[in-house]
Amino acid sequence: AQSVTQLGSHVSVSEGALVLLRCNYSSSVPPYLFWYVQYPNQGLQLLLKYTTGATLVKGINGFEAEFKKSETSFHLTKPSAHMSDAAEYFCAVSDGQAGTALIFGKGTTLSVSS
Amino acid sequence: ETGVTQTPRHLVMGMTNKKSLKCEQHLGHNAMYWYKQSAKKPLELMFVYNFKEQTENNSVPSRFSPECPNSSHLFLHLHTLQPEDSALYLCASSRGDRGKNEQYFGPGTRLTVT
Repeated sequence: AQSVTQLGSHVSVSEGALVLLRCNYSSSVPPYLFWYVQYPNQGLQLLLKYTTGATLVKGINGFEAEFKKSETSFHLTKPSAHMSDAAEYFCAVSDGQAGTALIFGKGTTLSVSS
Repeated sequence: ETGVTQTPRHLVMGMTNKKSLKCEQHLGHNAMYWYKQSAKKPLELMFVYNFKEQTENNSVPSRFSPECPNSSHLFLHLHTLQPEDSALYLCASSRGDRGKNEQYFGPGTRLTVT
């Protein structure tokens, strides 16, 4: 069975600072990994995904994540935070099998101060 | 987000009422999902449909009844709900129900049970 742990329910950064949101997963098979963002009163929007191939994945809005199998991690980073990045971020994992959906972490709220 | 629409966006209902939530996807996908998002909890998968067939019911109480008449429409019929059912209900769709395919979410219906 898959599971996801997002370390830190709330992360605060200053505008222009590095953003690092942590995600560790558990999976008995090669995982498919996703990061989603949710702005207030909206649904979830896909930021990026890892399926196979290159372990450094680039997404929208300047975000990227690196799949590290040895560390079972898929941390999300952005070199320079912008005020518009303030939102809730969800990491999700799947085993890629038919009939299964995504297992989501509890989410991390990112606050950006000026 | 505009690829998946949900109506209504907000709903207040009493415990004895019957109401329905509607979801429509314009992305040509064949899999659709209902999730429940409560405060301080991870997203909870409720139902999965693939080509109109229900492939997963995640131990959801019978007061929630899904309906998928075609691959573009998904309904969630509600009756005799409890206050703890108050939450944001999110619909999503994907190309196939394999977990490696990213899901696209609607904006959600904010449900309040009084």
